[in-house]
Amino acid sequence: GEDVEQSLFLSVREGDSSVINCTYTDSSSTYLYWYKQEPGAGLQLLTYIFSNMDMKQDQRLTVLLNKKDKHLSLRIADTQTGDSAIYFCAEAGGTGRRALTFGSGTRLQVQP
Amino acid sequence: EAGVAQSPRYKIIEKRQSVAFWCNPISGHATLYWYQQILGQGPKLLIQFQNNGVVDDSQLPKDRFSAERLKGVDSTLKIQPAKLEDSAVYLCASSLEGGGTYNEQFFGPGTRLTVL
Repeated sequence: GEDVEQSLFLSVREGDSSVINCTYTDSSSTYLYWYKQEPGAGLQLLTYIFSNMDMKQDQRLTVLLNKKDKHLSLRIADTQTGDSAIYFCAEAGGTGRRALTFGSGTRLQVQP
Repeated sequence: EAGVAQSPRYKIIEKRQSVAFWCNPISGHATLYWYQQILGQGPKLLIQFQNNGVVDDSQLPKDRFSAERLKGVDSTLKIQPAKLEDSAVYLCASSLEGGGTYNEQFFGPGTRLTVL
């Protein structure tokens, strides 16, 4: 079945860039997503990328997709303490499924 | 626009008891999902509805979990009897439609279940 993997933890200093990485196995994925989850809150969609794109930029967020290696990354420029949260990579669209397959999440800690 | 509503927000029960969760999706959203998120893991799909029909329940433990979406709007998820390993956050999500194009899912705040 589909599998999505992420590193568990990342710590950066305020103002630095953060890069969160993700690998997935389903080569038929059509959309890949990044979600943010803050303590006690639901999941918030940050951005997404269609599988025929290599890069997408949205304000401080840059998503890079290497479809050959099935590798997805999220770069957050000028990271702020408010960016501290768990970030989930998710994929959908493989074999017609609409439901999301999530990674286990990367906890981002931003130090002042 | 009101978001996805879930209740209760928290529930504590003893093992072998029953529990039910309720979800009200965003108005007009045809597709509704229930996910289970165990502590330290990403959400995992339990069941997906398209209107009031089940699209995917392959990962639903049907011996103890059941879900329905009467009239294609609200949904309830039930666990009977609960086990310790059912302790998790149960997330409900909805999306406009389940077709082949981009289809953003909107998540509710979740119900945190603790089974003692």
